[in-house]
Amino acid sequence: GAGVSQSPSNKVTEKGKDVELRCDPISGHTALYWYRQSLGQGLEFLIYFQGNSAPDKSGLPSDRFSAERTGGSVSTLTIQRTQQEDSAVYLCASSLTSGGYNEQFFGPGTRLTVL
Amino acid sequence: RKEVEQDPGPFNVPEGATVAFNCTYSNSASQSFFWYRQDCRKEPKLLMSVYSSGNEDGRFTAQLNRASQYISLLIRDSKLSDSATYLCVVRNSGGSNYKLTFGKGTLLTVNP
Repeated sequence: GAGVSQSPSNKVTEKGKDVELRCDPISGHTALYWYRQSLGQGLEFLIYFQGNSAPDKSGLPSDRFSAERTGGSVSTLTIQRTQQEDSAVYLCASSLTSGGYNEQFFGPGTRLTVL
Repeated sequence: RKEVEQDPGPFNVPEGATVAFNCTYSNSASQSFFWYRQDCRKEPKLLMSVYSSGNEDGRFTAQLNRASQYISLLIRDSKLSDSATYLCVVRNSGGSNYKLTFGKGTLLTVNP
């Protein structure tokens, strides 16, 4: 079946512009996660959705970052006024439910470069 | 202390070698443990979960020592296709049990 998909796969933007990253989770997965992977760093948790609500936004690095999920499916991560330090691979994952040994399936990521 | 720490690597081994990766975690209340594999410029994929009694999947053996807060992965008879970054992953317990914490990963290169 179809896995997690993300778009765009690559995004180059100028400092100060806004960007939107999209994630399509696996159908039927109620939990959705966004992570960020910077060069030489481990994956960093950003935000978790259960259905359409985001009970944990604690990983969002600043108020320039926001995310929403609609219809319990597609999610969009928005970065306003991008900075060079925002350059990273943004990974989305989904799981059937959260917790325990529920596997998180990752999408291929969006590679964001801020010039 | 970082939440999840791994051998820095890189590991370069010949085909057929046995290689072991170690990982320690700082949160004693952590609930679940995993090894993920990440190929270059690809997404992480679950390699195996790590259970308290230890578990094996073909050439791969994972061990967990809760008292020492230590996780290991052993790869026997390594293949060229095992070349990847191996990520040690820990899931929190309690109210934040949805959250995975990743180590930085250990790069393995298996040489012909």
